[in-house]
Amino acid sequence: DAEITQSPRHKITETGRQVTLACHQTWNHNNMFWYRQDLGHGLRLIHYSYGVQDTNKGEVSDGYSVSRSNTEDLPLTLESAASSQTSVYFCASSPLAGGPNEQFFGPGTRLTVL
Amino acid sequence: DQQVKQNSPSLSVQEGRISILNCDYTNSMFDYFLWYKKYPAEGPTFLISISSIKDKNEDGRFTVFLNKSAKHLSLHIVPSQPGDSAVYFCAASRAGANNLFFGTGTRLTVIP
Repeated sequence: DAEITQSPRHKITETGRQVTLACHQTWNHNNMFWYRQDLGHGLRLIHYSYGVQDTNKGEVSDGYSVSRSNTEDLPLTLESAASSQTSVYFCASSPLAGGPNEQFFGPGTRLTVL
Repeated sequence: DQQVKQNSPSLSVQEGRISILNCDYTNSMFDYFLWYKKYPAEGPTFLISISSIKDKNEDGRFTVFLNKSAKHLSLHIVPSQPGDSAVYFCAASRAGANNLFFGTGTRLTVIP
């Protein structure tokens, strides 16, 4: 069955370190998204991609970067982790726009920055 | 600026009764509205959607109502079951665009 996976599921790191969170989908979806979920803020969009070599900034992109070298993967990199980036991160994917634009979410990565 | 708002952070309902979750939006250009359900330690999963040209969509125990003049939608769950206890996110999108705009979520607790 097609799916979307994230790794690691849990990560503890120190302030200033570079961290990369992986996202892999097997639906062959063009669109991929990264969100963070924080209490009182819901799901906030960090970065998104509409296809290979395409990346775009979302609502809360400062301190994060993404690259899209193939259809299946959109890794999220925290260049220099900060305590404010402690959060739960969700990756999502969707096919080309049409209809309600339903997105399919991964299980999430809980990141703690000490 | 939050374009989709869920003003109730939590809701408790007795098992068997109706749960009503509310959502407001500010952008009249939205074409679709979606509800997602999220259990702890899992990603959100799609529940039900409605097009802006409709005022009601029903799927089993779940019904979404849309009031475009009030820029308001609601999700009704009847009857509520303990397994419905989760965080519910409202989201909106525009036709031809790829992004979803999410609300802040409402935590529903169904009491047995």
